[in-house]
Amino acid sequence: GAVVSQHPSRVICKSGTSVKIECRSLDFQATTMFWYRQFPKKSLMLMATSNEGSKATYEQGVEKDKFLINHASLTLSTLTVTSAHPEDSSFYICSAREGKGLVTGELFFGEGSRLTVL
Amino acid sequence: AQRVTQPEKLLSVFKGAPVELKCNYSYSGSPELFWYVQYSRQRLQLLLRHISRESIKGFTADLNKGETSFHLKKPFAQEEDSAMYYCALGLHSGGSNYKLTFGKGTLLTVNP
Repeated sequence: GAVVSQHPSRVICKSGTSVKIECRSLDFQATTMFWYRQFPKKSLMLMATSNEGSKATYEQGVEKDKFLINHASLTLSTLTVTSAHPEDSSFYICSAREGKGLVTGELFFGEGSRLTVL
Repeated sequence: AQRVTQPEKLLSVFKGAPVELKCNYSYSGSPELFWYVQYSRQRLQLLLRHISRESIKGFTADLNKGETSFHLKKPFAQEEDSAMYYCALGLHSGGSNYKLTFGKGTLLTVNP
């Protein structure tokens, strides 16, 4: 199957700094990428959906100024956590959808990025 | 708004026993439903989708529109089935916009 790669897999930062997480589709073009946050009890929360070349669509309750998403190319989306605080510590997972329009494409998931804010 | 409900956070069965992971959804249109699985220390991966009507690793799931359910079943559980299972609802919303909403997940433990 297709491969989605996230980098870094783990990052530790100080409170107040910004952290960027990259999500790449390695062998397919992803018109749509999704960013999820996985909480300690394993529930997955959709944060935002990004379509290549357009602004991301954020879910209710997710601060778009805090979680900046850029989907500049068909193989790369980035999530930047700005002015990170300890409560932003979490496991962030990206996924990419192969397929366009009304064609149902399987979502492929990255391995996740563990963010720890001190 | 669309919603996916997995009522069981934890499910424990013995090897060889049947297993059913429940999933209910709320959506007024025609849903696309999936089961994703996350094994320990691995990434999420697709297990099966309702449109395929296939059996993967012995698991099946039938879409019941009347009951708005998409329960995952396996007649004889194996220890390697122990994992986190997520039910998901896919929606198309205008143009190429697509969104996948997950339930909270059910942790299945198959005991020897």
